[in-house]
Amino acid sequence: GESVGLHLPTLSVQEGDNSIINCAYSNSASDYFIWYKQESGKGPQFIIDIRSNMDKRQGQRVTVLLNKTVKHLSLQIAATQPGDSAVYFCAENYGGSQGNLIFGKGTKLSVKP
Amino acid sequence: EPEVTQTPSHQVTQMGQEVILRCVPISNHLYFYWYRQILGQKVEFLVSFYNNEISEKSEIFDDQFSVERPDGSNFTLKIRSTKLEDSAMYFCASAGAGNTIYFGEGSWLTVV
Repeated sequence: GESVGLHLPTLSVQEGDNSIINCAYSNSASDYFIWYKQESGKGPQFIIDIRSNMDKRQGQRVTVLLNKTVKHLSLQIAATQPGDSAVYFCAENYGGSQGNLIFGKGTKLSVKP
Repeated sequence: EPEVTQTPSHQVTQMGQEVILRCVPISNHLYFYWYRQILGQKVEFLVSFYNNEISEKSEIFDDQFSVERPDGSNFTLKIRSTKLEDSAMYFCASAGAGNTIYFGEGSWLTVV
Protein backbone atom coordinates (compact mmCIF):
# COMPACT_ATOMS: atom_id res chain seq x y z
CA GLY A 1 0.00 0.00 0.00
CA GLU A 2 1.03 3.60 -0.38
CA SER A 3 2.87 5.12 2.49
CA VAL A 4 1.09 8.12 3.92
CA GLY A 5 4.03 9.30 5.95
CA LEU A 6 7.02 8.28 7.92
CA HIS A 7 6.91 7.00 11.43
CA LEU A 8 9.76 9.00 12.87
CA PRO A 9 12.03 7.58 15.52
CA THR A 10 11.68 9.68 18.62
CA LEU A 11 14.07 10.59 21.36
CA SER A 12 12.87 12.09 24.59
CA VAL A 13 15.40 13.62 26.96
CA GLN A 14 15.36 15.68 30.11
CA GLU A 15 16.46 19.28 29.89
CA GLY A 16 20.15 19.50 30.69
CA ASP A 17 20.95 15.94 29.63
CA ASN A 18 23.03 15.09 26.60
CA SER A 19 21.29 13.82 23.45
CA ILE A 20 22.65 11.43 20.88
CA ILE A 21 20.88 11.14 17.55
CA ASN A 22 21.98 8.43 15.16
CA CYS A 23 21.84 8.06 11.42
CA ALA A 24 22.80 5.26 9.06
CA TYR A 25 23.73 6.56 5.65
CA SER A 26 23.31 4.68 2.44
CA ASN A 27 26.32 5.10 0.19
CA SER A 28 29.89 4.23 1.07
CA ALA A 29 31.04 6.71 -1.59
CA SER A 30 29.44 9.64 0.25
CA ASP A 31 32.05 12.22 1.11
CA TYR A 32 30.13 14.98 2.84
CA PHE A 33 27.54 14.85 5.58
CA ILE A 34 25.36 17.47 7.20
CA TRP A 35 23.01 17.57 10.17
CA TYR A 36 19.93 19.75 9.87
CA LYS A 37 17.35 20.74 12.44
CA GLN A 38 13.78 21.28 11.29
CA GLU A 39 11.16 22.89 13.46
CA SER A 40 7.51 22.47 12.58
CA GLY A 41 6.56 24.38 9.44
CA LYS A 42 10.07 25.70 8.86
CA GLY A 43 12.97 24.95 6.58
CA PRO A 44 15.95 22.76 7.48
CA GLN A 45 18.43 24.71 9.55
CA PHE A 46 22.13 23.88 9.18
CA ILE A 47 23.72 22.61 12.39
CA ILE A 48 27.07 21.07 11.55
CA ASP A 49 28.82 19.27 8.73
CA ILE A 50 31.70 16.85 8.34
CA ARG A 51 33.75 15.54 5.44
CA SER A 52 34.70 11.94 4.99
CA ASN A 53 38.36 12.59 5.77
CA MET A 54 37.39 13.37 9.37
CA ASP A 55 35.74 11.26 12.05
CA LYS A 56 34.81 13.96 14.51
CA ARG A 57 33.91 17.61 14.40
CA GLN A 58 32.77 19.89 17.18
CA GLY A 59 30.64 22.97 17.16
CA GLN A 60 28.94 24.95 19.84
CA ARG A 61 27.21 22.35 22.07
CA VAL A 62 27.15 19.89 19.16
CA THR A 63 29.53 17.15 18.02
CA VAL A 64 29.25 15.03 14.91
CA LEU A 65 30.90 11.62 14.77
CA LEU A 66 31.44 9.73 11.54
CA ASN A 67 32.13 6.00 11.37
CA LYS A 68 32.76 5.14 7.74
CA THR A 69 33.33 1.47 8.48
CA VAL A 70 29.71 0.95 9.43
CA LYS A 71 28.29 3.98 7.55
CA HIS A 72 27.08 5.62 10.70
CA LEU A 73 26.76 9.24 11.69
CA SER A 74 25.78 10.63 15.05
CA LEU A 75 24.93 14.03 16.44
CA GLN A 76 25.59 14.74 20.07
CA ILE A 77 23.93 17.71 21.71
CA ALA A 78 25.32 18.73 25.07
CA ALA A 79 23.08 20.14 27.80
CA THR A 80 19.92 19.80 25.73
CA GLN A 81 17.51 22.70 25.98
CA PRO A 82 13.77 22.98 25.22
CA GLY A 83 14.67 25.01 22.14
CA ASP A 84 16.45 21.96 20.76
CA SER A 85 13.12 20.18 20.33
CA ALA A 86 12.75 19.54 16.60
CA VAL A 87 13.20 16.89 13.93
CA TYR A 88 16.85 16.24 13.12
CA PHE A 89 17.91 15.01 9.70
CA CYS A 90 21.22 13.76 8.49
CA ALA A 91 22.02 14.30 4.84
CA GLU A 92 24.75 12.88 2.60
CA ASN A 93 26.28 13.94 -0.66
CA TYR A 94 27.93 11.30 -2.77
CA GLY A 95 29.41 12.89 -5.78
CA GLY A 96 26.37 14.26 -7.45
CA SER A 97 26.40 17.92 -8.15
CA GLN A 98 27.19 19.93 -5.07
CA GLY A 99 23.97 20.14 -3.16
CA ASN A 100 22.36 16.93 -4.32
CA LEU A 101 21.76 15.89 -0.76
CA ILE A 102 20.10 12.66 0.21
CA PHE A 103 18.19 13.18 3.42
CA GLY A 104 17.56 10.55 6.04
CA LYS A 105 14.21 9.92 7.65
CA GLY A 106 14.74 12.16 10.63
CA THR A 107 14.53 11.77 14.39
CA LYS A 108 12.13 13.74 16.50
CA LEU A 109 13.79 15.10 19.63
CA SER A 110 11.56 16.10 22.52
CA VAL A 111 13.07 17.87 25.49
CA LYS A 112 11.21 17.65 28.78
CA PRO A 113 11.61 20.65 31.09
CA GLU B 1 22.66 36.97 9.19
CA PRO B 2 22.03 36.47 5.46
CA GLU B 3 19.18 34.15 4.63
CA VAL B 4 17.35 32.55 1.75
CA THR B 5 13.91 34.10 1.36
CA GLN B 6 10.95 32.52 -0.38
CA THR B 7 7.58 33.73 -1.59
CA PRO B 8 4.76 32.97 -1.28
CA SER B 9 4.77 31.24 2.07
CA HIS B 10 1.57 29.44 1.15
CA GLN B 11 -0.28 29.06 -2.13
CA VAL B 12 -3.46 27.20 -2.96
CA THR B 13 -3.99 26.43 -6.62
CA GLN B 14 -6.41 24.51 -8.80
CA MET B 15 -5.20 21.31 -10.41
CA GLY B 16 -3.87 22.02 -13.89
CA GLN B 17 -2.87 25.59 -13.12
CA GLU B 18 0.65 26.93 -13.42
CA VAL B 19 2.50 27.94 -10.29
CA ILE B 20 5.67 29.96 -9.86
CA LEU B 21 7.54 29.80 -6.58
CA ARG B 22 10.11 32.50 -5.99
CA CYS B 23 13.35 32.56 -4.09
CA VAL B 24 16.03 35.10 -3.31
CA PRO B 25 19.20 33.15 -2.49
CA ILE B 26 21.96 34.51 -0.27
CA SER B 27 23.59 37.28 -2.26
CA ASN B 28 27.12 35.97 -2.85
CA HIS B 29 26.10 32.36 -3.39
CA LEU B 30 26.64 30.62 -6.70
CA TYR B 31 24.76 27.34 -6.33
CA PHE B 32 21.00 27.16 -6.13
CA TYR B 33 18.63 24.31 -5.40
CA TRP B 34 15.05 23.32 -5.06
CA TYR B 35 13.91 20.59 -2.71
CA ARG B 36 10.48 19.47 -1.70
CA GLN B 37 8.96 17.77 1.33
CA ILE B 38 5.61 16.07 1.16
CA LEU B 39 3.83 16.30 4.51
CA GLY B 40 5.39 13.94 7.01
CA GLN B 41 8.02 12.66 4.61
CA LYS B 42 11.69 13.18 3.86
CA VAL B 43 13.14 16.21 2.17
CA GLU B 44 13.79 15.29 -1.48
CA PHE B 45 16.18 16.84 -3.97
CA LEU B 46 14.63 18.27 -7.13
CA VAL B 47 17.25 20.26 -9.01
CA SER B 48 20.55 22.09 -8.73
CA PHE B 49 21.50 25.15 -10.76
CA TYR B 50 24.90 26.67 -11.36
CA ASN B 51 26.30 29.08 -13.90
CA ASN B 52 22.86 29.70 -15.38
CA GLU B 53 22.09 26.10 -16.12
CA ILE B 54 20.79 22.98 -14.47
CA SER B 55 23.65 20.88 -13.16
CA GLU B 56 21.61 17.98 -11.88
CA LYS B 57 17.98 16.99 -11.50
CA SER B 58 16.13 14.12 -9.89
CA GLU B 59 13.50 11.90 -11.46
CA ILE B 60 10.87 13.98 -9.70
CA PHE B 61 11.89 16.99 -11.79
CA ASP B 62 10.05 16.03 -14.98
CA ASP B 63 8.96 18.16 -17.93
CA GLN B 64 6.31 19.87 -15.82
CA PHE B 65 9.03 21.58 -13.79
CA SER B 66 11.41 24.32 -14.83
CA VAL B 67 13.76 26.71 -13.09
CA GLU B 68 14.98 30.12 -14.04
CA ARG B 69 17.25 32.81 -12.75
CA PRO B 70 15.67 35.79 -14.48
CA ASP B 71 17.96 38.38 -12.95
CA GLY B 72 20.87 38.62 -10.54
CA SER B 73 18.86 37.95 -7.44
CA ASN B 74 15.81 35.76 -8.06
CA PHE B 75 15.58 32.02 -8.62
CA THR B 76 12.21 30.58 -9.57
CA LEU B 77 10.59 27.17 -9.78
CA LYS B 78 7.69 26.82 -12.22
CA ILE B 79 5.25 23.94 -12.25
CA ARG B 80 3.41 24.08 -15.57
CA SER B 81 0.30 22.05 -14.85
CA THR B 82 -0.04 21.19 -11.20
CA LYS B 83 -1.24 17.81 -10.00
CA LEU B 84 -2.66 16.85 -6.63
CA GLU B 85 0.56 15.01 -5.81
CA ASP B 86 2.56 18.21 -6.24
CA SER B 87 1.16 19.38 -2.90
CA ALA B 88 4.21 19.78 -0.70
CA MET B 89 6.51 22.24 0.97
CA TYR B 90 9.06 23.49 -1.57
CA PHE B 91 12.39 24.63 -0.23
CA CYS B 92 14.86 26.80 -2.04
CA ALA B 93 18.49 26.52 -0.95
CA SER B 94 21.79 28.11 -1.88
CA ALA B 95 25.48 27.58 -1.27
CA GLY B 96 28.66 29.51 -1.74
CA ALA B 97 32.07 28.17 -2.65
CA GLY B 98 32.03 25.78 0.30
CA ASN B 99 29.50 23.00 0.59
CA THR B 100 27.32 24.47 3.32
CA ILE B 101 23.80 24.62 1.96
CA TYR B 102 21.33 27.03 3.50
CA PHE B 103 17.61 26.52 3.16
CA GLY B 104 14.77 28.99 3.02
CA GLU B 105 11.65 28.71 5.13
CA GLY B 106 9.71 27.07 2.33
CA SER B 107 6.64 27.66 0.20
CA TRP B 108 3.71 25.46 1.07
CA LEU B 109 1.83 24.50 -2.10
CA THR B 110 -1.64 23.01 -1.88
CA VAL B 111 -3.19 21.72 -5.09
CA VAL B 112 -6.94 21.22 -4.96
